[in-house]
Amino acid sequence: EAGVAQSPRYKIIEKRQSVAFWCNPISGHATLYWYQQILGQGPKLLIQFQNNGVVDDSQLPKDRFSAERLKGVDSTLKIQPAKLEDSAVYLCASSLVGDEQYFGPGTRLTVT
Amino acid sequence: AQSVTQLGSHVSVSEGALVLLRCNYSSSVPPYLFWYVQYPNQGLQLLLKYTSAATLVKGINGFEAEFKKSETSFHLTKPSAHMSDAAEYFCAVLYGNNRLAFGKGNQVVVIP
Repeated sequence: EAGVAQSPRYKIIEKRQSVAFWCNPISGHATLYWYQQILGQGPKLLIQFQNNGVVDDSQLPKDRFSAERLKGVDSTLKIQPAKLEDSAVYLCASSLVGDEQYFGPGTRLTVT
Repeated sequence: AQSVTQLGSHVSVSEGALVLLRCNYSSSVPPYLFWYVQYPNQGLQLLLKYTSAATLVKGINGFEAEFKKSETSFHLTKPSAHMSDAAEYFCAVLYGNNRLAFGKGNQVVVIP
């Protein structure tokens, strides 16, 4: 069974630029999560989708971050404009409804 | 609100010695608790989980954890450390609609 796929694996941008990350969940997993993991901290949930609807985006900085999950499969997370403090690893995870979460390898973002 | 505390960001252990990582949780409901491991440049992998069945939970790679309600703890142990155990370990508590709140993590260094 293929795992959660994410791309790119690494991205370096300058502040005020925009960036997008892509996630392909495990086939059949209705729930998809985006986490932000800042160096030295545990992952923090940014947004949770169930199929193509948003379940929780209470910790998403909506002035600069956006996410979508069209057709209830792949998802993209965008940052526009990026700030220095957005440097982090962005993890995508997926699960069957109410079950264990499976994590992708993450995208490491460096904002200079 | 659910939260997790992991003390001591870096933990050094000699090869063959006991690995002990402490986790204390705060939860307003009977908790579901998890330990994840993260190897360099990889996503999180589930080690074990407590879901209100047996209080002593056995996981992969020889790890186990004991749920102690009176101490609000879920400490992770392994009797004999191996070089391959060098990684970052996160404790997490489930809340809301299948969401995870993570601790800050413990970076384990194994000394030969």
